Amino acid sequence: SSELTQDPAVSVALGQTVRITCQGDSLRRYYASWYQQKAGQAPVFVIDGKNNRPSGIPDRFSGSSSGNTASLTITGAQAEDEADYYCSSRASSDNHVVFGGGTKLTVL
Amino acid sequence: QLQLQESGPGLVKPSETLSLTCTVSGGSISSSSHYWGWIRQPPGKGLEWIGNIYYSGTTYYNPSLKSRVTISVDTSKNQFSLKLSSVTAADTAVYYCARRIATTAVPEFDYWGQGTLVAVSS
Repeated sequence: SSELTQDPAVSVALGQTVRITCQGDSLRRYYASWYQQKAGQAPVFVIDGKNNRPSGIPDRFSGSSSGNTASLTITGAQAEDEADYYCSSRASSDNHVVFGGGTKLTVL
Repeated sequence: QLQLQESGPGLVKPSETLSLTCTVSGGSISSSSHYWGWIRQPPGKGLEWIGNIYYSGTTYYNPSLKSRVTISVDTSKNQFSLKLSSVTAADTAVYYCARRIATTAVPEFDYWGQGTLVAVSS
């Protein structure tokens, strides 16, 4: 299967740590990249396929992978982190792209 | 700083062809290290990959849209384009163009356009 599954919504208290997960068979072979999308804006690339942060992304964002699950962790969530988060990876063995359904993060 | 800008009609009639162009500035579309892609987002829903093109013209399309999609590149204008035929209301979405890094196995879209809303309605 080339699908990626994310929890629709997650909440976190201000300053606490939250993990957003992404599951799929293709993640056993490929890592995921992650995107943050604030309301009314284009997505922003926050974690690359080696679980590194692109330039300009705060170090409270980190990525990890285990088995068929990729995770985005925000350590010390800030109010400005409230957004939708999408994972993306390669669809099985071809060069196609799949996105997860997205997780809406609420910072309480 | 690389910038991408989508342009095209904001309203398309059912059964007609949706046409959008992405103009790249601040960098060359002929980069051997990048693909150029289209991604869409229906109102209130998630992201859907449409397809990618390399400067040479090599294309990759979402299998679910492949029969209706054509992506082309014009290196002389530093632009790439999307055509989606036989549109229905289900094709109403914000359409984004984006740059994808070609040197990684995992898709990484590092620059995005602001997006353009295309509505399909008579």
